[in-house]
Amino acid sequence: SQKIEQNSEALNIQEGKTATLTCNYTNYSPAYLQWYRQDPGRGPVFLLLIRENEKEKRKERLKVTFDTTLKQSLFHITASQPADSATYLCALLRGLDSNYQLIWGAGTKLIIKP
Amino acid sequence: DGGITQSPKYLFRKEGQNVTLSCEQNLNHDAMYWYRQDPGQGLRLIYYSQIVNDFQKGDIAEGYSVSREKKESFPLTVTSAQKNPTAFYLCASSIALLYAGLAYEQYFGPGTRLTVT
Repeated sequence: SQKIEQNSEALNIQEGKTATLTCNYTNYSPAYLQWYRQDPGRGPVFLLLIRENEKEKRKERLKVTFDTTLKQSLFHITASQPADSATYLCALLRGLDSNYQLIWGAGTKLIIKP
Repeated sequence: DGGITQSPKYLFRKEGQNVTLSCEQNLNHDAMYWYRQDPGQGLRLIYYSQIVNDFQKGDIAEGYSVSREKKESFPLTVTSAQKNPTAFYLCASSIALLYAGLAYEQYFGPGTRLTVT
């Protein structure tokens, strides 16, 4: 079955540095990956989407890469700020008969220290 | 303001009681979803619906039921048959149901934390 792995350990980054989070998946390559941000006790908020035929996607200080050979997506936050502290979730599209669903990683907690 | 509302934010119930979680959206989205989130695990899909009066089971539907009588509303009932109901429940919507070739972001509500003792 399709699985997603995100680093379960919190990632501590100094303010101003680039934070890089990893999302690894098994089995077949998904049609696309999505990244979401989740703050404690709240619902996830969509950040970026990258398709299998795209190598890289950017949005302001955010960048996502997609390597279908390594079966990995990397999520980068440049010039990180304490306000970027949150849990970041990746999700991939899974085909299920004629319906498709997102399956989710458990998320990586990012802590940006001032 | 457009968005998804869930109520209540916190819910406490005794074991053996059914409980219904509310989810309303004013985004005019066709598709709605219920997820369960437990510590250290990814979101798991309980039920989803792509149109009114139609819904499908997700990965962990046992012990849950839903209805979709209106486009805006997708309530979830946690029944006494659910063996481990204590969790954080998230409702989401998207423009349409996901399918290969087109990808739609999901909009989430604030969640309901259910505690059953």
